[in-house]
Amino acid sequence: DGGITQSPKYLFRKEGQNVTLSCEQNLNHDAMYWYRQDPGQGLRLIYYSQIVNDFQKGDIAEGYSVSREKKESFPLTVTSAQKNPTAFYLCASSIRSSGSTDEQYFGPGTRLTVT
Amino acid sequence: KQEVTQIPAALSVPEGENLVLNCSFTDSAIYNLQWFRQDPGKGLTSLLLIQSSQREQTSGRLNASLDKSSGRSTLYIAASQPGDSATYLCAVLPRQGGSEKLVFGKGTKLTVNP
Repeated sequence: DGGITQSPKYLFRKEGQNVTLSCEQNLNHDAMYWYRQDPGQGLRLIYYSQIVNDFQKGDIAEGYSVSREKKESFPLTVTSAQKNPTAFYLCASSIRSSGSTDEQYFGPGTRLTVT
Repeated sequence: KQEVTQIPAALSVPEGENLVLNCSFTDSAIYNLQWFRQDPGKGLTSLLLIQSSQREQTSGRLNASLDKSSGRSTLYIAASQPGDSATYLCAVLPRQGGSEKLVFGKGTKLTVNP
């Protein structure tokens, strides 16, 4: 089965702790993305990577970090510097074609709660 | 800066009704537009992708149209069913120098009543 997996589905952490969210894809896609979803705000882009060993900040990168050591994996670390980390986090990937046919596919999401 | 708006924010209809969801965007320079479905607590499922050169796409009971010049897209759902209840999100892929950053609307929450 081809697809995107995110783990865990639910994650609970104490304030001040760093936490890493996993995202794996077996679609052979070049590009991967992390979004954050909050009620009433829609999806906002945190980081994206168009190729291995390269990544770019999105609109709300502060307090987050990523790595892209393998094509299949794009883990997101939520650091203690993120002021409001409780949210639903979505990972996505795309084949990164010329643009017009580029379709993003999403994982099932991780709900992070920080208390 | 590209902005995407979806109206209404919520819609409730009886089963069997045909319905239209609206999406508007401020900059017509886009590569494509995607419609997604999201069930509560779940990820996004891609429904339809319309390339900038296309006018519409169809999949089963779904038909999406694109009018790039006016910055509008509609998602038509025929003969709605309770299983169609979900939040529907529209997103555009702007033409901006090599970036593949989707810009999302906030979604329309659809409830189809039996």
